[in-house]
Amino acid sequence: DVKVTQSSRYLVKRTGEKVFLECVQDMDHENMFWYRQDPGLGLRLIYFSYDVKMKEKGDIPEGYSVSREKKERFSLILESASTNQTSMYLCASSFMANNEQFFGPGTRLTVL
Amino acid sequence: QKEVEQNSGPLSVPEGAIASLNCTYSDRGSQSFFWYRQYSGKSPELIMFIYSNGDKEDGRFTAQLNKASQYVSLLIRDSQPSDSATYLCAVRGVGGSYIPTFGRGTSLIVHP
Repeated sequence: DVKVTQSSRYLVKRTGEKVFLECVQDMDHENMFWYRQDPGLGLRLIYFSYDVKMKEKGDIPEGYSVSREKKERFSLILESASTNQTSMYLCASSFMANNEQFFGPGTRLTVL
Repeated sequence: QKEVEQNSGPLSVPEGAIASLNCTYSDRGSQSFFWYRQYSGKSPELIMFIYSNGDKEDGRFTAQLNKASQYVSLLIRDSQPSDSATYLCAVRGVGGSYIPTFGRGTSLIVHP
């Protein structure tokens, strides 16, 4: 079974802090994705990566950056957390970008 | 404009009935269609995908695709309370993107 893990299930940070969210997949997938999910707004793509050191902006990249130094690991970085970044963050991976995605358990981030 | 539309619901059906979930999309060039189930507090998991016009059956689930009318449906036969969840439609090829675009989801409640 594909396994996608995320570093934290719940995280509380203060405004202005730098926040790192880590995602690891164990199936040698080429593609990895970061989404945020908010009530009434659905899943929104922040960034995705189709290869090591490669990244593409999604629909809402502002305020976020990403890093992919190894194939299995994709990190989401909030350079200076703000309260409007309070959300559920979901990482996903897929063998090809147009294939089904496998999701991690999610990180519920609260920014105070 | 990327658009994948779903009725937010909730759709309430009695146990044993057929639940019908619908999804419309704006781009005639869309090519791949996915249905995910998301239980409250959990991450999405794939139920089915469909690429060709017509029906695709898997157990109690049937996906129906009509490219001419630009809709895809998910039918759940013999609905069970354990089917109560939010169902997300994802469409690849909207706006020319090879990354699937998600609808906002339909909440299904199956009552005993």
